[in-house]
Amino acid sequence: DIQLTQSPSSLSASVGDRVTITCRASQSISNYLNWYQQRPGKAPKLLIYGASDLHSGVPSRFSGSGSGTDFTLTIDTLQPEDFATYYCQQSYIIPRTFGQGTKLEMK
Amino acid sequence: QVTLKESGPALVKPTQTLTLTCTFSGFSLSTSGVRVSWIRQPPGRALEWLAHIDWDGDKFYSTSLKTRLNISKDTSKNHVVLSMTNMDPEDTGTYYCARIGYSGSFDFWGQGTLVTVSS
Repeated sequence: DIQLTQSPSSLSASVGDRVTITCRASQSISNYLNWYQQRPGKAPKLLIYGASDLHSGVPSRFSGSGSGTDFTLTIDTLQPEDFATYYCQQSYIIPRTFGQGTKLEMK
Repeated sequence: QVTLKESGPALVKPTQTLTLTCTFSGFSLSTSGVRVSWIRQPPGRALEWLAHIDWDGDKFYSTSLKTRLNISKDTSKNHVVLSMTNMDPEDTGTYYCARIGYSGSFDFWGQGTLVTVSS
């Protein structure tokens, strides 16, 4: 199975900050990497698919980049509603796998 | 408008079989390329993919759970059913169904259903 390792596991930031979360795959997955946001008690929501494509309705302050084994999710100008947990997920091969999550907390 | 909703028992006993139903609308599982997946999340822990079923009936399972899982579909009812045998307290968590969209992403999710395994 492909392992996805996110860093950091947790992150403190303030409204207005720019933050970056990294996801590293244990083998090349081309650009088959997706990002999700999960707020407490809620289902995850798709943010980015195909490493860099913004899902419909997602604010443009979210962006993704990378290919192969190294990927990043960047949030520009953090808003209060962005404090949540973020997961990466690979769709290159079965079984699908997720990263362990990055919890973004307010400083 | 795409929606999905999970239903099933909130409590099951150890060794029992769990059966969950995903009822969806806004798309059809008889359309080429459409797929629906099940994902779970133990309390306070990360997401774990369990299985998915394709429009043509192909099925795919988690490596570690494949001997316990079965996924099926009823296209006429817009249902996808997941069964998991020999339930254990470690299987406690929220179970989600999701549609698979572009690039294999999970583009629409149900609200989730919490399943507790306890005697």
